[in-house]
Amino acid sequence: GAVVSQHPSRVICKSGTSVKIECRSLDFQATTMFWYRQFPKQSLMLMATSNEGSKATYEQGVEKDKFLINHASLTLSTLTVTSAHPEDSSFYICSAADTGRYTIYFGEGSWLTVV
Amino acid sequence: RKEVEQDPGPFNVPEGATVAFNCTYSNSASQSFFWYRQDCRKEPKLLMSVYSSGNEDGRFTAQLNRASQYISLLIRDSKLSDSATYLCVVTSNSGYALNFGKGTSLLVTP
Repeated sequence: GAVVSQHPSRVICKSGTSVKIECRSLDFQATTMFWYRQFPKQSLMLMATSNEGSKATYEQGVEKDKFLINHASLTLSTLTVTSAHPEDSSFYICSAADTGRYTIYFGEGSWLTVV
Repeated sequence: RKEVEQDPGPFNVPEGATVAFNCTYSNSASQSFFWYRQDCRKEPKLLMSVYSSGNEDGRFTAQLNRASQYISLLIRDSKLSDSATYLCVVTSNSGYALNFGKGTSLLVTP
């Protein structure tokens, strides 16, 4: 079964609204999680590194105020797309590092469609 | 220049064929290398890690050439179920953050 759960798997929202995506590690504690975005026929692009108990580290070109990341516990990171626009429609996927097993696990991904 | 570059394909091959994918990376300080498989509209799944000595897992063989910053994946005796996009992945300096290539699309036909 999945060791990293991502929810929702699909979401449709209206332009201008905010959407929250959750990423949970199910059987390990993840001090570090990662958020990626993938546009059609493109590679997964790292958006930010989510650090438990501290601020996320954003990649160049990713707006901090638009993509809010919260990692308040060792098993949960959330990505909130604020004031979503159609160009934010994409596949968002998280990963979590299980440093005890030196393994990275991916969530199932979330398809966001902004209409 | 992108950090990880792959030939996007598509590669259309008949069942039983042998197919090879190549990948180059730009950061000479990269530490770990992987091949992931991604099916349509799904999350990527780890296919295999890539070691300097080369490694094999059943029909799949991966090679790494650090001097040339080049990674390859060989699939022998292709199956229909091998149809997917194959992603070349390199770790960044921060360890667990991954740099993905754009992927190479493989279609195995009957």
